[in-house]
Amino acid sequence: GAVVSQHPSRVICKSGTSVKIECRSLDFQATTMFWYRQFPKQSLMLMATSNEGSKATYEQGVEKDKFLINHASLTLSTLTVTSAHPEDSSFYICSVRVTDTQYFGPGTRLTVL
Amino acid sequence: AQSVSQHNHHVILSEAASLELGCNYSYGGTVNLFWYVQYPGQHLQLLLKYFSGDPLVKGIKGFEAEFIKSKFSFNLRKPSVQWSDTAEYFCAVNAGAAGNKLTFGGGTRVLVKP
Repeated sequence: GAVVSQHPSRVICKSGTSVKIECRSLDFQATTMFWYRQFPKQSLMLMATSNEGSKATYEQGVEKDKFLINHASLTLSTLTVTSAHPEDSSFYICSVRVTDTQYFGPGTRLTVL
Repeated sequence: AQSVSQHNHHVILSEAASLELGCNYSYGGTVNLFWYVQYPGQHLQLLLKYFSGDPLVKGIKGFEAEFIKSKFSFNLRKPSVQWSDTAEYFCAVNAGAAGNKLTFGGGTRVLVKP
């Protein structure tokens, strides 16, 4: 599999500010990473597919200008929540694709006040 | 679009009881099937997966799942649960047309009473 880390694990920010979340693949060079969000007591919803060296592919209904994804290297993808609002409060989880299997990071809990 | 249904939202059982969690998907073509587990306060971990071959798949921690193509099902089982199996369990499907995207079921919260 792959070992995936995320930073920070928790972040609290004020409404209108931007927050960057990092996803690192510690032992695998990942050309593809995925970003999900998970609302309380709900399942994971795919937000976007992050491709190294190219633009991310966003799922329908996800604002690409609000959720900026950068996959600049084979071990790092970042998700920036721009102009965050309270409704963006959620648990954000990334995953790394190793052949046909995804391995998940520990998640980042974002709280927007 | 593909969808995944987990019929039980909550399951409560005692230690040593048998567990079976249902998972059905809607996609007529080739699928890859997964069960992930999320222990309290921890990240999603892969329990087992099915790509092809023997439809009875054995995973970690004594779990197994059976792929029944005619029923579009991939149910998870464990003959005798332990308190440490308390977690949330997610079924996920990767269908051919969706590339490598995973569609998750709604999850089943399992509480094992000691």
